Amino acid sequence: KAGVTQTPRYLIKTRGQQVTLSCSPISGHRSVSWYQQTPGQGLQFLFEYFSETQRNKGNFPGRFSGRQFSNSRSEMNVSTLELGDSALYLCASSERGNANTGELFFGEGSRLTVL
Amino acid sequence: QQQVKQSPQSLIVQKGGISIINCAYENTAFDYFPWYQQFPGKGPALLIAIRPDVSEKKEGRFTISFNKSAKQFSLHIMDSQPGDSATYFCAGGSGTYKYIFGTGTRLKVLA
Repeated sequence: KAGVTQTPRYLIKTRGQQVTLSCSPISGHRSVSWYQQTPGQGLQFLFEYFSETQRNKGNFPGRFSGRQFSNSRSEMNVSTLELGDSALYLCASSERGNANTGELFFGEGSRLTVL
Repeated sequence: QQQVKQSPQSLIVQKGGISIINCAYENTAFDYFPWYQQFPGKGPALLIAIRPDVSEKKEGRFTISFNKSAKQFSLHIMDSQPGDSATYFCAGGSGTYKYIFGTGTRLKVLA
């Protein structure tokens, strides 16, 4: 099986622009989560989708949004980019709907640099 | 508060030594505690996980020790190898996949 695929892998934007990141989960996985990784802050939870429904959302401003499609692929969008949004954005998928019964499989991330 | 505090921030161990990373959590609703290993340029990968109904779990050279009353858990890497050099993240979670991760420990094992 192919792993979690994230595109693009690297991108550079300027302040005020918006960006859309894409994630294709492992085939058959219905849960997709997004995390922001920055040095010193570790991984911070953005949101989680299961069967096209957002089930959980982290403490990020409304500029961060996401969605999941019927084929489980997911996108996240960041509008009005700020310098502090520079980070590695990680997508993770899971087969099951409950954290107690499955593991998260992470992609290699999309590294966003905001200038 | 849902923080997971992880220490140390970095760790240097000689080959063959024991690496110990500690985590403390606050949210008593957490019922799943995974450890993830991340190599440079890669996404984190599940290393080992424990549920709070057991005090220890061992998989090969990796052991999780769990102290529910103290709300602490730790990762022990026995016979540490240079290939273990990576960043390690502990996490706590419950229900759906809203994991709260620690800030990470960068481990370097000297040959």
